[in-house]
Amino acid sequence: IVLTQSPATLSLSPGEEATLSCGASQSVTNDYLAWYQHQPGLAPRLLIYDASNRATGIPDRFSGGGSGTDFTLTIRRLEPEDFAIYYCQQYGTSPETFGQGTKVEIK
Amino acid sequence: QVALKESGPALVNPTQTLTLTCQCSGFSLRATAMRVSWIRQPPGKALEWLAHIDWDDDKLYSNVLKNRLTISRDSSKNQVVLAMTNVDPGDTATYYCARTYYYGSGTFDAWGQGTRVTVSS
Repeated sequence: IVLTQSPATLSLSPGEEATLSCGASQSVTNDYLAWYQHQPGLAPRLLIYDASNRATGIPDRFSGGGSGTDFTLTIRRLEPEDFAIYYCQQYGTSPETFGQGTKVEIK
Repeated sequence: QVALKESGPALVNPTQTLTLTCQCSGFSLRATAMRVSWIRQPPGKALEWLAHIDWDDDKLYSNVLKNRLTISRDSSKNQVVLAMTNVDPGDTATYYCARTYYYGSGTFDAWGQGTRVTVSS
């Protein structure tokens, strides 16, 4: 399954809201779709699993939605530490695949 | 605290075998429903899943690379090892190991920081 993320780059200011999209080339089984945050040099961090469930310790300003082939990650009230690269990943069909990523940068 | 740490050579010659080690802590590789995967990211490209090994020693490989990969574990050291034969410059990437716990999120809930590997003569 090919995952296409948009936009490639999102330029926003702290306090604003970010909406990231992830489109799948075919329906994601059981909506097994995850979102990760990646800061360069650090380990990627699981944010959302099963399309809309927040992982342990993830603040509620992060929310995931969608089903089938269209998914979104919303980050409300951007904090300085939220500026990073975000990847979606499907794990419903082998092999697990990732999107190309969306970079959220400071405007 | 769950943690994973990758290690391996920073530079490998073409045609050689690359061996990477993932040191796991905070959980046991033998615990039911545990899985450790290897994932890589070439410069400027997407993340690519390579292989995984389960708590019961079941293994799965990427169809594209399965002829070149071997994943194994040393349960006494709580380590997972990935060997990749006949490397070429296209294998230059940052390599990550990640844990999946099926009674949790069912996907990669903990990752290492990655180890950067360059294939060049």
